[in-house]
Amino acid sequence: EVQLVESGGGLVQPGGSLRLSCAASGFTFSSYWMSWVRQAPGKGLEWVANIKQDGSEKYYVDSVKGRFTISRDNAKNSLYLQMNSLRAEDTAVYYCARDQRDIAVVDYWGQGTLVTVSS
Amino acid sequence: QSALTQPASVSGSPGQSITISCTGTSSDVGGYNYVSWYQQHPGKAPKLMIYEVSNRPSGVSNRFSGSKSGNTASLTISGLQAEDEADYYCSSYTSSSIFYVFGTGTKVTVL
Repeated sequence: EVQLVESGGGLVQPGGSLRLSCAASGFTFSSYWMSWVRQAPGKGLEWVANIKQDGSEKYYVDSVKGRFTISRDNAKNSLYLQMNSLRAEDTAVYYCARDQRDIAVVDYWGQGTLVTVSS
Repeated sequence: QSALTQPASVSGSPGQSITISCTGTSSDVGGYNYVSWYQQHPGKAPKLMIYEVSNRPSGVSNRFSGSKSGNTASLTISGLQAEDEADYYCSSYTSSSIFYVFGTGTKVTVL
């Protein structure tokens, strides 16, 4: 059974930093692209970033470029999102998701972790 | 890149069929057969219901079906059941700078 478990969310002040983690199990982590998708309170879904199997390619939505960094550790079956210079508009539930990029679908999602940016 | 356009809400009685539309452009929905649909119950993670326009993942009821015509994709739920009450989002590959674009979301209410 595919399982994705996020952690690391919380309350942070504007301009602050936070690092999200995602522990994957139930599939061969190193064989898949992985994505982060977020959902602001009461709003829709927004793709944030994804990373290739070996970490050699990374892509970001424009609004987080230069502030967020996606990374992975295949030895630990883990995905990360380093978030710097956080803004109020980054407040959202952040989902870790398995990304089948060859058919352009995010097929399994974690339960999400809430990031709140507020003073 | 703007979000794909979905109706805010759709409702139906148990046993009826409903259809949710998802309108994009030739740079996303119309240009590729990479449209997906997700079901999201309150406080829960999205669940994949349809991928590549009309394919159902293992375990998803055949009451859910997808199609596409031009720049508009559609999700049809037949034999509507109380458990189908949820938010539904479409998604498409896009040739713009972001890789995936999602729809605005549709709240399905079972009357």
